Amino acid sequence: NAGVTQTPKFRILKIGQSMTLQCTQDMNHNYMYWYRQDPGMGLKLIYYSVGAGITDKGEVPNGYNVSRSTTEDFPLRLELAAPSQTSVYFCASSYPPGGNYGYTFGSGTRLTVV
Amino acid sequence: QKEVEQDPGPLSVPEGAIVSLNCTYSNSAFQYFMWYRQYSRKGPELLMYTYSSGNKEDGRFTAQVDKSSKYISLFIRDSQPSDSATYLCAMRVAGGTSYGKLTFGQGTILTVHP
Repeated sequence: NAGVTQTPKFRILKIGQSMTLQCTQDMNHNYMYWYRQDPGMGLKLIYYSVGAGITDKGEVPNGYNVSRSTTEDFPLRLELAAPSQTSVYFCASSYPPGGNYGYTFGSGTRLTVV
Repeated sequence: QKEVEQDPGPLSVPEGAIVSLNCTYSNSAFQYFMWYRQYSRKGPELLMYTYSSGNKEDGRFTAQVDKSSKYISLFIRDSQPSDSATYLCAMRVAGGTSYGKLTFGQGTILTVHP
């Protein structure tokens, strides 16, 4: 049981380059989320999805895009990378809200834009 | 004003001490309150989950919620070096269009030294 798997673990991008951060979960969770974590700033929601084909913006969506073609996968796309996107990115999943359910997080992707 | 405020610390205590971690919030619609623990270079993991006001105890950990004061706390008794981590409070509104989206505090860095 792998839980939430994120790849790559580390990446250095040059300004203007693009990349996709991969996220896969094997728990059959409908709800998936992308957060970014900056030092001293907690986690900020980028995008979320409540099921295959359904996505919506979070608090800080500018510069990012997502898709959800399957229940398992929720990739995050960075177009035209900027230094402000240097951060640690976490993918998470959960059952539908209600009851004693929290998130299961992946181990994160550390991205540096230079 | 941030929706959720958490003292970032850092907090350094001797082994065996009682630790108190706290968050305040401004959104009275928050109903579900969580504490996550995050070890260095890892994803957050759910530690405690509380609905509405009251106390919840799990081993050495006690979570308290005071909705009238918009204040939540996590107490760690007999702290151990293995408790050294960043602790994040998180909360969300109930049902509707919340879709399980969490609002996080900034995180408190805790070090327990032998």
